[in-house]
Amino acid sequence: DAKTTQPPSMDCAEGRAANLPCNHSTISGNEYVYWYRQIHSQGPQYIIHGLKNNETNEMASLIITEDRKSSTLILPHATLRDTAVYYCIVRPDYGQNFVFGPGTRLSVLP
Amino acid sequence: EAEVAQSPRYKITEKSQAVAFWCDPISGHATLYWYRQILGQGPELLVQFQDESVVDDSQLPKDRFSAERLKGVDSTLKIQPAELGDSAMYLCASSYSSAGETQYFGPGTRLLVL
Repeated sequence: DAKTTQPPSMDCAEGRAANLPCNHSTISGNEYVYWYRQIHSQGPQYIIHGLKNNETNEMASLIITEDRKSSTLILPHATLRDTAVYYCIVRPDYGQNFVFGPGTRLSVLP
Repeated sequence: EAEVAQSPRYKITEKSQAVAFWCDPISGHATLYWYRQILGQGPELLVQFQDESVVDDSQLPKDRFSAERLKGVDSTLKIQPAELGDSAMYLCASSYSSAGETQYFGPGTRLLVL
């Protein structure tokens, strides 16, 4: 079973920040938080991952709470092309197996 | 930018027929994964290879599914015979090593069994 809980769907206005929450209350100290997204009919695309510290790359920012029980993926200026299903995954650093939940379907509206 | 290649992109077959999917991982990636994704759900791992060896095939329906990676590079996933319930997206992913590297996914093969 997936170790994360995400809202099934969210809307965001184009040009605004999209903040996607994820709860992972049973996360262990060596488990990373990964985010992927899947645009319709394509394979999942890696976005970002982190362990404890907040992370930022050219696609997004990842904010992890101090107790690591939840995180937020931030798309700073959402575009229509960001419409996708976003998956939050908790994965041990020593293992390889991702367990995908149903994710959050983000709709960016014009 | 290096990508995972998969073919075919789409496959339509009749039940009881055999189908095969091919995956070429990113060059230098030792670990290869096959996932199945049913419409509306997240991907589920079917099999994981480390070089040419199977590391995890616990979720692979071995009565009809087989997977191989003979030279530790590209891989083939086969279904024989196909059943109606096998209609899904089949995704291949690869990662550099088994030491916690990020997985990169291919575009997938969408299978429809009639």
